[in-house]
Amino acid sequence: DARVTQTPRHKVTEMGQEVTMRCQPILGHNTVFWYRQTMMQGLELLAYFRNRAPLDDSGMPKDRFSAEMPDATLATLKIQPSEPRDSAVYFCASGSGLGTGGTAVWAFFGQGTRLTVV
Amino acid sequence: DQQVKQNSPSLSVQEGRISILNCDYTNSMFDYFLWYKKYPAEGPTFLISISSIKDKNEDGRFTVFLNKSAKHLSLHIVPSQPGDSAVYFCAASAQGGSEKLVFGKGTKLTVNP
Repeated sequence: DARVTQTPRHKVTEMGQEVTMRCQPILGHNTVFWYRQTMMQGLELLAYFRNRAPLDDSGMPKDRFSAEMPDATLATLKIQPSEPRDSAVYFCASGSGLGTGGTAVWAFFGQGTRLTVV
Repeated sequence: DQQVKQNSPSLSVQEGRISILNCDYTNSMFDYFLWYKKYPAEGPTFLISISSIKDKNEDGRFTVFLNKSAKHLSLHIVPSQPGDSAVYFCAASAQGGSEKLVFGKGTKLTVNP
């Protein structure tokens, strides 16, 4: 049963500390998304990659957030330094979006990392 | 600027009745639309999608309607069941679904027994 795996599931950290969230996309999926869920904003897109190349990270606070795909089986989202306003659930999703006329395979979500910054 | 809007934060219906969840979008480049369902402490799961070349897509109890001229789509659940109680997210993408997914804020559906 293919699934997107995110670690850790929960993270409590102190303000100012570095946080790293990891995601293992579904094998064969060429697109990886990072979303953040908050009560006020719903699901916000932070960044996404296609074939490991970053396509859009305009939703990400550049001064403290960074997203990478060191290889096809791992995506990371780092926050340094973390702040209380970063507390949210962070979701990774993977998919294989096809072009016009094709059947898009969208997007399978992991269970999320619940981050609490105190 | 919210490109995908779900204006009803919550909806409550009786078991067996129809649930209608609405979604509006502003970006005319969107041509592929999806609905996701989310239970607490889980990630969203794909429910149903529709391409802009269609105006209706049906899958069991779930039907999505698309009105391109009004930039509006809706999800109908008939009959509603208590297990359908969840948050429903509308999402949109351009380029036939190959571009990034933009989500609405979600509508919490409660189906009462």
